[in-house]
Amino acid sequence: NAGVTQTPKFQVLKTGQSMTLQCAQDMNHNSMYWYRQDPGMGLRLIYYSASEGTTDKGEVPNGYNVSRLNKREFSLRLESAAPSQTSVYFCASSVKLRSGNTIYFGEGSWLTVV
Amino acid sequence: SQKIEQNSEALNIQEGKTATLTCNYTNYSPAYLQWYRQDPGRGPVFLLLIRENEKEKRKERLKVTFDTTLKQSLFHITASQPADSATYLCALIPSNYGGSQGNLIFGKGTKLSVKP
Repeated sequence: NAGVTQTPKFQVLKTGQSMTLQCAQDMNHNSMYWYRQDPGMGLRLIYYSASEGTTDKGEVPNGYNVSRLNKREFSLRLESAAPSQTSVYFCASSVKLRSGNTIYFGEGSWLTVV
Repeated sequence: SQKIEQNSEALNIQEGKTATLTCNYTNYSPAYLQWYRQDPGRGPVFLLLIRENEKEKRKERLKVTFDTTLKQSLFHITASQPADSATYLCALIPSNYGGSQGNLIFGKGTKLSVKP
């Protein structure tokens, strides 16, 4: 089992460019999440999907869109990248939202917007 | 306002000693509290979960306590080793959160360095 796989690992974008971060999990989890992690700010939830077909905003959703393509895949899109979106992005999954179950994280995607 | 705070950004200890990390929260009523380990350049990895009706949880050299009166969780690593050096994150799931905010709310982490 690969767990949670995110691509790309590293990306440099110019301001205004768009891109999509891809995420897939092979653990048959219902819930998936996108977090960003910034120095001094900790992990902050961008969007989550409690189950296939549903998505909801987290703490910092502005400038992002998500798609829960199927049970396995949850993508994060930056339509018009801004330097403030320079960050490390983590995709994660869990069995069930708010159940107390373990959240499994991917290895992260380092995004720099210049 | 609601906060979850890990009091120390960094903690340096000698090998063999017990490391104690603190997580405090305000204006939350956690249903669960979890601790994660994060190594540089990697995603967080789950270590322990403790429920609001549990006082203490152990796993090998790790121990977590949960005091809902003090609104605090302590994370202990006994007989610490240099391999324990990492950033440790606490996270809680609010039991009474009415908004659509997903699952875990994370602290900023404490970077533990264990010196040989």
